[in-house]
Amino acid sequence: GAGVSQSPRYKVAKRGQDVALRCDPISGHVSLFWYQQALGQGPEFLTYFQNEAQLDKSGLPSDRFFAERPEGSVSTLKIQRTQQEDSAVYLCASSLRDGVYEQYFGPGTRLTVT
Amino acid sequence: AQSVTQLGSHVSVSEGALVLLRCNYSSSVPPYLFWYVQYPNQGLQLLLKYTTGATLVKGINGFEAEFKKSETSFHLTKPSAHMSDAAEYFCAALTNQFYFGTGTSLTVIP
Repeated sequence: GAGVSQSPRYKVAKRGQDVALRCDPISGHVSLFWYQQALGQGPEFLTYFQNEAQLDKSGLPSDRFFAERPEGSVSTLKIQRTQQEDSAVYLCASSLRDGVYEQYFGPGTRLTVT
Repeated sequence: AQSVTQLGSHVSVSEGALVLLRCNYSSSVPPYLFWYVQYPNQGLQLLLKYTTGATLVKGINGFEAEFKKSETSFHLTKPSAHMSDAAEYFCAALTNQFYFGTGTSLTVIP
């Protein structure tokens, strides 16, 4: 079956540009997570949705970061006025429901800000 | 706050040798613990997880890990390394959210 997909896979943005990163979770998965993975680091939690509700956005590094999941399926992570420190791989994961359920990860979007 | 420490950012083993990747967590309440593997340009794939019950858990590809509460550890092992095991391995702890370690890159030498 189809796994989690993310697009684009690679994005180069000039500093100051806005970017939008898309995540298509596994169909029927209730929970959706965004992570930021800097080079040589483990993924760091950004935000979490249960259906369309954003239940936790404590990991978003600044108010330039915004995520939405309006219909409870596809999610978009938007970064406004990108900075060089935003360069990272952005991972999306989904799980069937809340709790200790396996998170299925997408391949990530590698964002490079020049 | 929860944290996960992986000792050794790079580990090299010979093909056929024992693989041991170390993970320690810090938490006043034992979290749920996971090991993920990441191949180049791919997402993370779950190897195994500990939630409750038996402290020795077996995962895919011959990997296993043992939860030791007294040592706050969850080390990953495999008796005999295969070339296809070369990848990045992440330990993670789940309390209210997932906390990942910084990863260990495993190299398998033929």
